Amino acid sequence: DTEVTQTPKHLVMGMTNKKSLKCEQHMGHRAMYWYKQKAKKPPELMFVYSYEKLSINESVPSRFSPECPNSSLLNLHLHALQPEDSALYLCASSSRTENTEAFFGQGTRLTVV
Amino acid sequence: AQSVTQLDSHVSVSEGTPVLLRCNYSSSYSPSLFWYVQHPNKGLQLLLKYTSAATLVKGINGFEAEFKKSETSFHLTKPSAHMSDAAEYFCVVSVLQNTGGFKTIFGAGTRLFVKA
Repeated sequence: DTEVTQTPKHLVMGMTNKKSLKCEQHMGHRAMYWYKQKAKKPPELMFVYSYEKLSINESVPSRFSPECPNSSLLNLHLHALQPEDSALYLCASSSRTENTEAFFGQGTRLTVV
Repeated sequence: AQSVTQLDSHVSVSEGTPVLLRCNYSSSYSPSLFWYVQHPNKGLQLLLKYTSAATLVKGINGFEAEFKKSETSFHLTKPSAHMSDAAEYFCVVSVLQNTGGFKTIFGAGTRLFVKA
C-alpha cells in the first residue's frame, strides 16, 4: 500500500467553526508533513512530524494545530480560520526526514467563508 | 543561498513531440533532486529522483532527467508528449544545511500544456 489517504476531500467552514483534517498512511513511514498550497503556487511546508514528535513548525498561526496520535495518523485541527486560509491542504509522508522522496495525499480543498 | 529555479512558468507542446522542462539549482552541497507532477486538484506524484547515483535518471510514464553538476541543472524530458501529461510539474531540491538538517525547496512550477 503506497497511498496517503486524506479526508475529507472538500471542506467548507465558517470563521467560527472548528474542524479537523485527517491523514493516514500504512507504509511504515516515520515522517509526516502538512503543506498548504494556494492556486498556481508550489506547496508551502507547515509542519513536520518525525517519529510522532513535532520537529518543524514553519511559524504557522496557532489557529492551525497539528496532532500525530500514532505513527500512521496525522491530524490538522482548524479553529477561527480566515478566508485567506482557503487553500488545498496536502499531507505527505516519507521514510525519514532526510533527503528522500515524499508520498502525497490527494489533498483537502478547504474553503473558509 | 540554496534555491531551485524552474526556467519556464508555462510550456506548450503538441501531442507526440518532445517535452523539455528546465530546472536549475543552487546548493553548497551535493543535493538530492526530485521531479513531481500534479494534476488539477490532486496531490503530487513522484516522477523520478536523483540521489548521487547514475546521472541519467529514468522515471515513470517515460520521463527522464539528467543531473549535470557543471551546469547545476536537472532538466526533465520525455521523447513524445501525451495528452495525459498536461499538468503542473515541480522540481524539488533536498539540501543539507549548515545545521546538519535537510531542507526541501520547491521550484515555482511549470505548467505543461499539450495540444492535440
